[in-house]
Amino acid sequence: SYELTQAPSLSVSPGQTASITCVGFNLGDKYVSWYQQRPGQSPVLVIYGDLRRPSGIPERFSGSHSGNTATLTISGTQTMDEADYYCQAWDSTILFGGGTKLTVL
Amino acid sequence: QVTLQESGPVLAKPTETLTLTCTVSGFSVNNARMGVSWIRQPPGKALEWLAHILWNDETSYSRSLKSRLSISKDTSRSQVVLTMTNMDPVDTATYYCTQMYFYDTRAVSLDVWGQGTTVTVSS
Repeated sequence: SYELTQAPSLSVSPGQTASITCVGFNLGDKYVSWYQQRPGQSPVLVIYGDLRRPSGIPERFSGSHSGNTATLTISGTQTMDEADYYCQAWDSTILFGGGTKLTVL
Repeated sequence: QVTLQESGPVLAKPTETLTLTCTVSGFSVNNARMGVSWIRQPPGKALEWLAHILWNDETSYSRSLKSRLSISKDTSRSQVVLTMTNMDPVDTATYYCTQMYFYDTRAVSLDVWGQGTTVTVSS
């Protein structure tokens, strides 16, 4: 079955840049979305179409995609960005990465 | 404003059939390029897609759970219903329904999520 691979965890200091990657075979043929899930909350869409930001999502969230790797970048990370982040693609079904726990301290 | 609200039992017994309902507002489950997905998340674990139903009634199921799942929609009630048979303690999870949107012919985003409903499977 098709898989999307994410690092389980990432730790950054406030104000630093966090880069969360998502790797998948032939991911270059697909668009990627990203979701933020704070503890105890439902996931929220933060990036779709590799790099498009829904209204209401801060500009510090950006996305990129090169070959089989998609990246979510959070510039000037804030403590409120501490959350789990999931990548997602479409392959006639919905595919999720395993999630990356971002710690900001 | 688009909202989705999950409802169903909080407790299920092993071997029982679980029925979850997603009531949507702010959009129609028949809108072109849209659909509704069910996704679950066991405690402390990752998101797992279960099934979806699209505006054209096309359905799809997780390969590993296909034999146990059924998804349907009731347009008049703005509801999407998921049934899962033969429940087991490993099915204990928070179950979410989400709005799907095809922003490209080969891409889907999950734009709005329900608050989730937690189901515990125990005898």
